[in-house]
Amino acid sequence: NAGVTQTPKFQVLKTGQSMTLQCAQDMNHEYMSWYRQDPGMGLRLIHYSVGAGITDQGEVPNGYNVSRSTTEDFPLRLLSAAPSQTSVYFCASRDTGFSGAQHFGDGTRLSIL
Amino acid sequence: DQQVKQNSPSLSVQEGRISILNCDYTNSMFDYFLWYKKYPAEGPTFLISISSIKDKNEDGRFTVFLNKSAKHLSLHIVPSQPGDSAVYFCAASATGTYKYIFGTGTRLKVLA
Repeated sequence: NAGVTQTPKFQVLKTGQSMTLQCAQDMNHEYMSWYRQDPGMGLRLIHYSVGAGITDQGEVPNGYNVSRSTTEDFPLRLLSAAPSQTSVYFCASRDTGFSGAQHFGDGTRLSIL
Repeated sequence: DQQVKQNSPSLSVQEGRISILNCDYTNSMFDYFLWYKKYPAEGPTFLISISSIKDKNEDGRFTVFLNKSAKHLSLHIVPSQPGDSAVYFCAASATGTYKYIFGTGTRLKVLA
């Protein structure tokens, strides 16, 4: 039972490069979300999805794109990386049927030079 | 505007004693609250939650208290153990929004 799997675990990019952070879950959860964690800022919601084909913005969506073509996968795209996007990124999933707890992946540590 | 606040960045407690972590919120629409624990290099893991229809929820050594009038919740860990040393995040959501807003976290250190 893998839960929520994020790849890669670490990545270094140059400013202006593009990249996709992968997130997959095997729990058949409808709800998936992306957060970034920065020192002193806690976890901030970037984008979320309540089902395949449905996405919406969170607190800090600028500079990021998402799509949800399947229930299992929710990739996060950086089209033109900026140093301000250096962060640890977490993907999470949960059932939408109730206010349940989210299951988190172990994160992707992203550095942009 | 920080809707969920954890004003204590860190807390040290002796093993066996009580740990009390606090969280304040400003949005009166929040009606569901959760606590997560996070170890280094891992994702947060769910600890305990409480709905606004309750003022207390207990699970083993962990108890969460909710004071709606003060917009304040707290997590009590009794007795504290060295393995409880981690960063604790509180989170809040409002019914129908699908958004969870997290606090900035409190680093708990339990001293053996």
